[in-house]
Order: sequence, then C-alpha cells, then structure tokens
Amino acid sequence: QVQLQESGPGLVKPSQTLSLTCTVSGGSISSGDYYWSWIRQPPGKGLEWIGYIYYSGSTYYNPSLKSRVTISVDTSKNQFSLKLSSVTAADTAVYYCARADSSIAGFFDPWGQGTLVTVSS
Amino acid sequence: DIQMTQSPSTLSASVGDRVTITCRASQSISSWLAWYQQKPGKAPKLLIYKASSLESGVPSRFSGSGSGTEFTLTISSLQPDDFATYYCQHLRTFGQGTKVEIK
Repeated sequence: QVQLQESGPGLVKPSQTLSLTCTVSGGSISSGDYYWSWIRQPPGKGLEWIGYIYYSGSTYYNPSLKSRVTISVDTSKNQFSLKLSSVTAADTAVYYCARADSSIAGFFDPWGQGTLVTVSS
Repeated sequence: DIQMTQSPSTLSASVGDRVTITCRASQSISSWLAWYQQKPGKAPKLLIYKASSLESGVPSRFSGSGSGTEFTLTISSLQPDDFATYYCQHLRTFGQGTKVEIK
C-alpha cells in the first residue's frame, strides 16, 4: 500500500526557510486521483492544512500562509516538497504529508508519520 | 471558508460506554465529512469518510452519521485502544478536536 515519509531539518532559525520533502512509496504520485498535501500541528494544538499539489503542478494554499508557502512536485523521484519562508516560533509544529482524495470527498489518507520542526535560534 | 465546530472538547468515559462526538458545519456540506483518530505522537488515522462510510480495517464499533450541517461519530462500546483525540474534517478545514479520556 501507499506510504509517505517526511524528511528534512528538525531545527530552523527564525527568519529562515523551512524545507521538507515527502517521499511516496508503493504508488505513483502521478495518479490523477489524488492531491498531495502538507498539514501541520503545533504542539498540543489542532490540525492546520497548509496546502496541496496535483501531479501536474497545480497548487492550492491556505490563504493565511499563502504568501510564505511553496509546494512543488518531482514526479521522477515520486516526491513533493514544502518550503515555508520567514519562519517564526509560531511555525514550530509537527509537519505531516498526506494524500488527499481528489474528489469532492477530499479526505486525507494515508499520512506520513510526521516530523517535528522547531524554529529557534 | 466553512467552519467546523466539534463538541465536546473533552469527554470522560469508561470502557464499555457508548460515546458520541458532534461536529457542526457553518453551512451545509452535504455528506462530505471525514473523521480521524489521533493518538499521542502518531499521525491521524482515517476512520470514516463521506459521513458514514467506514474505512477498511476500522472496527465496526465506530460509526458516523449526519448530513447537511450536523454530524456525529459514535463509538458503540468504548475500548481501551479508543482513548485518543478525534477530529472531523471537511475539505481543507478540521474541527478543533475532541479528546476522549478515561473516566
């Protein structure tokens, strides 16, 4: 079955850019049935959708983060990536990648295990 | 954007109890709602999609119902493995979560 795995630095300095990659295994990222998503969860808090990308490169971002977010896809590597610029302590969170059903149902499954990114000097 | 509001925020229950969690949408979303279970340190796990469809492998004690603006997740007989936080979701919006604690 499809599995997702996040990778990237666990510590980022304030004002710098957070960069994470999600590697998809067990299935092709080029399937037209799914969007590939990033979701985050600050410590002790709820889930916040960051954005997603279609294999063609079309992107959709959370309006509250849109000015700082870039999501890209590399179909040759079966990976997609997140860049979040000008980070502050408020961006400290567990970052998850997940597959989203591209129908109106739009549910997320499966999820990666998550990676904690701490913003601190 | 449509807002999703869960209640209660915390629920204390005992093993064997019937548990119901409510999720309300700020406008009609038909049946386009999913439910997830999250345990500490783990990623959310899909339980229910399209309001009432049980994800493969999820125990039948979990059920979902509702349409329009009001939805419920029911656990018919709470098991020790069910103590967790539950989230509803519509498209890009999640509810704030309901933590099910041991009474």
